[in-house]
Amino acid sequence: TQLLEQSPQFLSIQEGENLTVYCNSSSVFSSLQWYRQEPGEGPVLLVTVVTGGEVKKLKRLTFQFGDARKDSSLHITAAQPGDTGLYLCAGVAGGTSYGKLTFGQGTILTVHP
Amino acid sequence: ETGVTQTPRHLVMGMTNKKSLKCEQHLGHNAMYWYKQSAKKPLELMFVYNFKEQTENNSVPSRFSPECPNSSHLFLHLHTLQPEDSALYLCASSQWAGASNQPQHFGDGTRLSIL
Repeated sequence: TQLLEQSPQFLSIQEGENLTVYCNSSSVFSSLQWYRQEPGEGPVLLVTVVTGGEVKKLKRLTFQFGDARKDSSLHITAAQPGDTGLYLCAGVAGGTSYGKLTFGQGTILTVHP
Repeated sequence: ETGVTQTPRHLVMGMTNKKSLKCEQHLGHNAMYWYKQSAKKPLELMFVYNFKEQTENNSVPSRFSPECPNSSHLFLHLHTLQPEDSALYLCASSQWAGASNQPQHFGDGTRLSIL
């Protein structure tokens, strides 16, 4: 069974601060996806990283996939209250479970004005 | 608007009731999924349907019975549920199951409470 450890579980910061969320596993994934979920809504895909060592930027969000494709990080620069939400990483399996998503526990981010 | 609609949004039922959750996607996708989201636990995959055929049952108790009459509709029939089944049930769809880079599009979920 593939597991994803996401940390921290909770993050409460002031507007303008930077933060990093980590997603770690002992398993190799074919790719990794990051989702954001707001209260009362379903998760919405932010990005998919595919290649080991890949870095993708989405405005103030920077996503990195580890060289060994076992871990990933999400870095937010100058956080804003609109960034508040639940951030989920999801590893995409390879092999016989090809395409199956394994989710981390999530990070609840609160950005205070 | 994600293109995936779930009804009802909230459901309260007793342990002996029978109810069904409905999911409809308007994205032309061929794969549909049921997930369970509980507090303090990761999103759990329950079932996967690819081109109307069930390809994954993640050891889900038989009191949950999925049905996929066509690629656009997915149901989850509920019967004799337990209090620990109270959770947010999310439906998702993707172009097809088994591709590594495809996003899954989620509905807004049904909040289920078992009395």
